[in-house]
Amino acid sequence: RKEVEQDPGPFNVPEGATVAFNCTYSNSASQSFFWYRQDCRKEPKLLMSVYSSGNEDGRFTAQLNRASQYISLLIRDSKLSDSATYLCVVRFNKFYFGSGTKLNVKP
Amino acid sequence: GAGVSQTPSNKVTEKGKYVELRCDPISGHTALYWYRQSLGQGPEFLIYFQGTGAADDSGLPNDRFFAVRPEGSVSTLKIQRTERGDSAVYLCASSPGLAGGQETQYFGPGTRLLVL
Repeated sequence: RKEVEQDPGPFNVPEGATVAFNCTYSNSASQSFFWYRQDCRKEPKLLMSVYSSGNEDGRFTAQLNRASQYISLLIRDSKLSDSATYLCVVRFNKFYFGSGTKLNVKP
Repeated sequence: GAGVSQTPSNKVTEKGKYVELRCDPISGHTALYWYRQSLGQGPEFLIYFQGTGAADDSGLPNDRFFAVRPEGSVSTLKIQRTERGDSAVYLCASSPGLAGGQETQYFGPGTRLLVL
């Protein structure tokens, strides 16, 4: 079983839509959680860290559910520029990346 | 300031050859990570350094792979007797530290390795 699992998508949504991704992790002792964004043929870039209390950054909201071992990312009012692959990252000593969820925002 | 840089950006080699991939982390970052990413997959952990020492090398696939960071800054990933299955993008990342908000990783652009 993979340490971090994500739905690969793609999620095809119109501009302005709200879209949510989930990610599950296997190790209940995991220490830190992140969402990274990766554009095609580019390096991953940090989107946001995920805290137990949940956190918001503009149109992006991340939630952590330790009991069920999943994290989520909600994107409101999607923009064309949000089209990318979103990587879920979990740290237990070292960092484990999911395979990513692809988002296509259409005009 | 300058981000993480990696050289070369692309490397084509023949099966059986030796390659070295270089990573220059952000100045002052004590932690440095190497990952390998294949098409359609997320980055796969190889090794990370805290300072000069390899804190965890459990992701290195076999003894053909080796990495060093002799002065706690620049790191080199070395692959001996390359195989076609080694073809991937090799990503380097650095972070200010390892905990408490210092663990955010900043990635370099990667080295695309193609073994023919």
